[in-house]
Amino acid sequence: AQKITQTQPGMFVQEKEAVTLDCTYDTSDQSYGLFWYKQPSSGEMIFLIYQGSYDEQNATEGRYSLNFQKARKSANLVISASQLGDSAMYFCAMREGHRTGRRALTFGSGTRLQVQP
Amino acid sequence: EAGVAQSPRYKIIEKRQSVAFWCNPISGHATLYWYQQILGQGPKLLIQFQNNGVVDDSQLPKDRFSAERLKGVDSTLKIQPAKLEDSAVYLCASSSTGWPETQYFGPGTRLLVL
Repeated sequence: AQKITQTQPGMFVQEKEAVTLDCTYDTSDQSYGLFWYKQPSSGEMIFLIYQGSYDEQNATEGRYSLNFQKARKSANLVISASQLGDSAMYFCAMREGHRTGRRALTFGSGTRLQVQP
Repeated sequence: EAGVAQSPRYKIIEKRQSVAFWCNPISGHATLYWYQQILGQGPKLLIQFQNNGVVDDSQLPKDRFSAERLKGVDSTLKIQPAKLEDSAVYLCASSSTGWPETQYFGPGTRLLVL
């Protein structure tokens, strides 16, 4: 079974509107972290936001917020007031707690967001 | 603060040739990662270093891929001999040891094997 599922291959949003990118995850660990990255056409992965499994409040970073529903194992990214520069691939990733020190991120397949003027 | 540096940015080689990629992590970051991103997919970990020791290389194709981080700072990833399916973007990332150990990525090296 896939550990990270992003069901939206592509999304369109009008400039200045809000958009939600879906992410569901699968883990049996109690301690884990969820990350969202943005990848523009230039290729670099840009860190956006982090949510820990024990965090009681949803994470927010500027126009980015994370709708974390632990019981449903979902961690959706919400981008408010979309801008043309938000057009990019967005990846959800999970890091499970490893006592061995392993810190590998498991990525989903990504969602391509296009912001229309 | 300077980000993760990688070179070269692009590389085109023939199959069965060898190629090497270089990465310099963010200053002070003890953990360094190499990921492979095939077109249309998310990145997959190849190897994780903590200082100059290997923590996780379970998904590294060791018959053709090798990596080192001799002085615990910069790192090289080598492919020898390259196959067509090695065409991908190779991303280097680094993180500090402080929670939540967010990984910061470099610009990547795009490899095309002909």
